[in-house]
Amino acid sequence: QQQVKQSPQSLIVQKGGISIINCAYENTAFDYFPWYQQFPGKGPALLIAIRPDVSEKKEGRFTISFNKSAKQFSLHIMDSQPGDSATYFCAGGDSNYQLIWGAGTKLIIKP
Amino acid sequence: DAGVTQSPTHLIKTRGQQVTLRCSPKSGHDTVSWYQQALGQGPQFIFQYYEEEERQRGNFPDRFSGHQFPNYSSELNVNALLLGDSALYLCASSLDLAASYNEQFFGPGTRLTVL
Repeated sequence: QQQVKQSPQSLIVQKGGISIINCAYENTAFDYFPWYQQFPGKGPALLIAIRPDVSEKKEGRFTISFNKSAKQFSLHIMDSQPGDSATYFCAGGDSNYQLIWGAGTKLIIKP
Repeated sequence: DAGVTQSPTHLIKTRGQQVTLRCSPKSGHDTVSWYQQALGQGPQFIFQYYEEEERQRGNFPDRFSGHQFPNYSSELNVNALLLGDSALYLCASSLDLAASYNEQFFGPGTRLTVL
């Protein structure tokens, strides 16, 4: 019930392409879905987040698509750049104040 | 404005020892959460402190304990260290607002190695 399943585990995308990372959750009590970006040796940094009352949120090149009925959400990175190479984590949050994280996706953008 | 700070950056301990990690939250934040991140995995929630009390706890044994001080800074203590406790320990701060989930800001972490 608490799991957040993330795929793929790793992803290689050409510069300028679209990177897509998917997550599925089980806990219907989740009401907050953030995506974090983590560079080696650093803590995670919030990239973009969505609440279940909207189906899509866009911030610059980053878009979250949310499908409440399927209990799935995804991150799209448009015009991917080498500087986007990092590990990306999705998570689900509920009123119990904790975030349940996916296992992460290592994204490599090839120049 | 300083973000979340953690100390020390790296730490090496031996099995059975005890360790204390420290965290100062982002200015204006009153809530501190601790996470354990094993290599190649996502962070696992340990516990959260608010108003100097443990408000919520993840699936971690009692060897893991914490404290929050009146200035909102926090400590994570781990007793009787095991090899499996080797990980990056992350502190995250947020501002508590009723009926709303709030963004957590993460520190750079403390890398703990247990030999």
